[in-house]
Amino acid sequence: DTGVSQNPRHKITKRGQNVTFRCDPISEHNRLYWYRQTLGQGPEFLTYFQNEAQLEKSRLLSDRFSAERPKGSFSTLEIQRTEQGDSAMYLCASSLRRTSGSPSYNEQFFGPGTRLTVL
Amino acid sequence: AQTVTQSQPEMSVQEAETVTLSCTYDTSESDYYLFWYKQPPSRQMILVIRQEAYKQQNATENRFSVNFQKAAKSFSLKISDSQLGDAAMYFCAYNSPTSGTYKYIFGTGTRLKVLA
Repeated sequence: DTGVSQNPRHKITKRGQNVTFRCDPISEHNRLYWYRQTLGQGPEFLTYFQNEAQLEKSRLLSDRFSAERPKGSFSTLEIQRTEQGDSAMYLCASSLRRTSGSPSYNEQFFGPGTRLTVL
Repeated sequence: AQTVTQSQPEMSVQEAETVTLSCTYDTSESDYYLFWYKQPPSRQMILVIRQEAYKQQNATENRFSVNFQKAAKSFSLKISDSQLGDAAMYFCAYNSPTSGTYKYIFGTGTRLKVLA
């Protein structure tokens, strides 16, 4: 188990360009989350997948943002027509939804993040 | 809406000493979980300790322990025998099964410096 991986680790782009980030969760995890972290702030929730279904999107996720998780495995987050305000660290996390047993606190495991800089 | 507040942007502690990081939260839910995450300079967040709201006993993990005051909605982290490797950003986080998604709500973090 190699944990949650994210690629690329760093991305520098010019304003107006499109960018796509990839997240590979822990293999058996069926829940996947995207968060955005700006400098000096805690991570903020963007969107959530359970398997391949996108079940919740934050109002932070404008129309320029789209996320997918085909086949319930890896996920991609695309930002179209990037703006300087999109500069941030984009974090992916995964967890396992337990269907039985003791109550689940749903511990999330985080990837190293993708740092986006929009010039 | 649920909120998490960390009022200490930065804390310092001498190596081998004890430090306490503060966190308060607001929720109307009765079933929830609280977490402390550590984010070293490499930026990958790792779980330090968690607390289930229904448990009265404070969680402990080696040198890390919490003081969970449910009525006061306070959840502080105590680090004993501080080590240089403890230097990092520490985030307090909340989630609840009521949301259905168990998404985290984070505080703004406390930067911990450990002085040799």
